Amino acid sequence: AQKVTQAQTEISVVEKEDVTLDCVYETRDTTYYLFWYKQPPSGELVFLIRRNSFDEQNEISGRYSWNFQKSTSSFNFTITASQVVDSAVYFCALSDDSGGGADGLTFGKGTHLIIQP
Amino acid sequence: IAGITQAPTSQILAAGRRMTLRCTQDMRHNAMYWYRQDLGLGLRLIHYSNTAGTTGKGEVPDGYSVSRANTDDFPLTLASAVPSQTSVYFCATKEGLLNNEQFFGPGTRLTVL
Repeated sequence: AQKVTQAQTEISVVEKEDVTLDCVYETRDTTYYLFWYKQPPSGELVFLIRRNSFDEQNEISGRYSWNFQKSTSSFNFTITASQVVDSAVYFCALSDDSGGGADGLTFGKGTHLIIQP
Repeated sequence: IAGITQAPTSQILAAGRRMTLRCTQDMRHNAMYWYRQDLGLGLRLIHYSNTAGTTGKGEVPDGYSVSRANTDDFPLTLASAVPSQTSVYFCATKEGLLNNEQFFGPGTRLTVL
């Protein structure tokens, strides 16, 4: 069975600090996909990144970066020089290859990130 | 272009009442999903549909039913609402059956008293 663990329920940092959100996953499949979504206070869910299990290259997008390590089953998300607008709940999610991926995402419980000015 | 619309935005419902949450997309995506979001639990899949005419059960399907008569609409029905169904409900779509990202609607906040 799939499982996604986000052990950090809430993180509070001061603006401009770097912060890393942890995500650990479990799956029996060799082919799977990992996602991060952002949920700002307004409530919508915003897609941030998708990574497949065969691509372990780290990715950087502006102040955001993702570190995928299959050896530790982790897909961590780092925000560099955090800003108040980064305050949100962040969800890590997993989808495996069974059924062509049409059976939905397994989400972690989310990390509430608070950036204090 | 609206993307995904959900209705109503919010609703207060008496226990035992029947309720249908509506979800409509204009992106012609094959796959559609219903999730519920509860504090401390993240999002959990209720039902999904790979394509029009087919549906499947997710992690928490009890008390809910869905139908997929066409590509654009995927209503979620609570036949007899109970307080434990108080939640925020999100509809999502995905293009194709590959592991592409899912796009989410704005959500419906449902309170069952």
